[in-house]
Amino acid sequence: KNEVEQSPQNLTAQEGEFITINCSYSVGISALHWLQQHPGGGIVSLFMLSSGKKKHGRLIATINIQEKHSSLHITASHPRDSAVYICAVSLGGGADGLTFGKGTHLIIQP
Amino acid sequence: DGGITQSPKYLFRKEGQNVTLSCEQNLNHDAMYWYRQDPGQGLRLIYYSQIVNDFQKGDIAEGYSVSREKKESFPLTVTSAQKNPTAFYLCASSIGRTGGPPLHFGNGTRLTVT
Repeated sequence: KNEVEQSPQNLTAQEGEFITINCSYSVGISALHWLQQHPGGGIVSLFMLSSGKKKHGRLIATINIQEKHSSLHITASHPRDSAVYICAVSLGGGADGLTFGKGTHLIIQP
Repeated sequence: DGGITQSPKYLFRKEGQNVTLSCEQNLNHDAMYWYRQDPGQGLRLIYYSQIVNDFQKGDIAEGYSVSREKKESFPLTVTSAQKNPTAFYLCASSIGRTGGPPLHFGNGTRLTVT
């Protein structure tokens, strides 16, 4: 089974700072997901990627397949970005095969 | 607006009682999933269903049961056999297994059993 490690576990930053959250996994994958969990508990899918880089607004996700590593970056961070960010990997097939990281708790202070 | 509705948001039960968590989706997705989230742990898969009237056990199915009588609905019953039922439960759906994610999640149900 794949091991998914996220770092840091907790991150507090000031508004406007550039944020990086890291995810490493142990076994080759078919896709990697970044999810955002709001304080109320609901989860939103941010990115699904299998190679390269994706960008959506102020969020950028990159993946290095050879190094088994992905990063999620937030530019010009804002207090509304405060959430838990979760990395999940799949070996193939559907979401029944996802392995989730424990999440990174991000707080952006005004 | 399409999405997944989980109800209730908070649920309290006495030990020894079965309880059913509701999950409804209007996204016309074939695949639905139940996950459990505990503090300091990643989400873990309880059950999943790829099609109506069919479902499979996930990693931690013991003490849980599900049904999939309609495409839109995938209720989860937490039985008295589940040793540690207090947790946050999340329902999700995706277009289909072969199409894979992205996943759509509900807002979760927080179950407390005392």
